[in-house]
Amino acid sequence: GENVEQHPSTLSVQEGDSAVIKCTYSDSASNYFPWYKQELGKRPQLIIDIRSNVGEKKDQRIAVTLNKTAKHFSLHITETQPEDSAVYFCAASKTGANNLFFGTGTRLTVIP
Amino acid sequence: DAMVIQNPRYQVTQFGKPVTLSCSQTLNHNVMYWYQQKSSQAPKLLFHYYDKDFNNEADTPDNFQSRRPNTSFCFLDIRSPGLGDAAMYLCATSIHSRPDTQYFGPGTRLTVL
Repeated sequence: GENVEQHPSTLSVQEGDSAVIKCTYSDSASNYFPWYKQELGKRPQLIIDIRSNVGEKKDQRIAVTLNKTAKHFSLHITETQPEDSAVYFCAASKTGANNLFFGTGTRLTVIP
Repeated sequence: DAMVIQNPRYQVTQFGKPVTLSCSQTLNHNVMYWYQQKSSQAPKLLFHYYDKDFNNEADTPDNFQSRRPNTSFCFLDIRSPGLGDAAMYLCATSIHSRPDTQYFGPGTRLTVL
């Protein structure tokens, strides 16, 4: 089965700085990679996703990059704000599968 | 507008006393999932329904059961809750053409006394 590793487990940045979270996956058939943000006590919310036919996707201050050869993908948050503080989960899935394989999460703290 | 609704938001039960958690959706999605999430951990898939077809994860304990009486509703039954079953239980849905894009409900936090 798929194995998704996520680093770092905790990340603290100053407000306005950038944050980068990295994930690797093991199944070369995986072709869908979402990122979820989960604030304390709340539901995971999809913030951005990427499919394997593209290498990069941006949405305002958030971007995701995918390297299929190396089997890793990363979340980039620029100009961080205190409201970006949350736990971020990466995940991987593949066509025909209903399972999302989650990484172990990164707790991001943005210091005002 | 709420799309995936879970009730109750907080549930307290006693050790060994059966409990049922509820999920409903207004999205008309084919697939409904139940996840267990313990503190500081990733959500762990327990099982999912693709329409009426039930799919159990290999490592889901027999203590956990599910029912889906119609497209909109799905229930999680815990037959004999143990202390280790205290967790947040998340329901999610997806459409059949994009089963990978999942939408989560707000969760039910279960406490076992």
